[in-house]
Amino acid sequence: AQSVTQPDIHITVSEGASLELRCNYSYGATPYLFWYVQSPGQGLQLLLKYFSGDTLVQGIKGFEAEFKRSQSSFNLRKPSVHWSDAAEYFCAVGAQGWNQFYFGTGTSLTVIP
Amino acid sequence: NAGVTQTPKFQVLKTGQSMTLQCAQDMNHNSMYWYRQDPGMGLRLIYYSASEGTTDKGEVPNGYNVSRLNKREFSLRLESAAPSQTSVYFCASMTENIQYFGAGTRLSVL
Repeated sequence: AQSVTQPDIHITVSEGASLELRCNYSYGATPYLFWYVQSPGQGLQLLLKYFSGDTLVQGIKGFEAEFKRSQSSFNLRKPSVHWSDAAEYFCAVGAQGWNQFYFGTGTSLTVIP
Repeated sequence: NAGVTQTPKFQVLKTGQSMTLQCAQDMNHNSMYWYRQDPGMGLRLIYYSASEGTTDKGEVPNGYNVSRLNKREFSLRLESAAPSQTSVYFCASMTENIQYFGAGTRLSVL
């Protein structure tokens, strides 16, 4: 069965520090992979996506993610975190022809000054 | 461009009451979705509609019904609300495998 695991429930980083949020998926073929961000009281906004091709993808707000097939991972990174990045981050997996997507349980990011 | 609009934003119900959550999108997308979000559980799919006139169950459909009224609108109905349905409900529409979400409806069932 398809699944997404975000092993870190909560992460705290200092402003200006680098960030990596982990995501592992379970799916036999080539997945479509997504990272969404949810600010408090808001809906989810797409940060970036991977469908095929270059395994390092760039997104909005200075985020990037790398697809590693051998590790079934799609980790999200940012070189320097800003206080406005404090939010909840969700990884999701889909596939061509799917009608359903599967979301991880989310990672809550706190940014301290 | 409004995107995906959900109404109401907040609702408090008593156990056994019924209500309909409304969702409309103005992006001409075929596919629409209803999710619920609970602490520590991420988003779970309740129902989806791949196109106008079709609906299918997701992971947690019990206690809910849906209607795809037209291409724009996809409503979620709770016939007899239960405290276990206290949650935040999100509607989404999809095109080219990308989902666009509404701002959510925060529902409390007492």
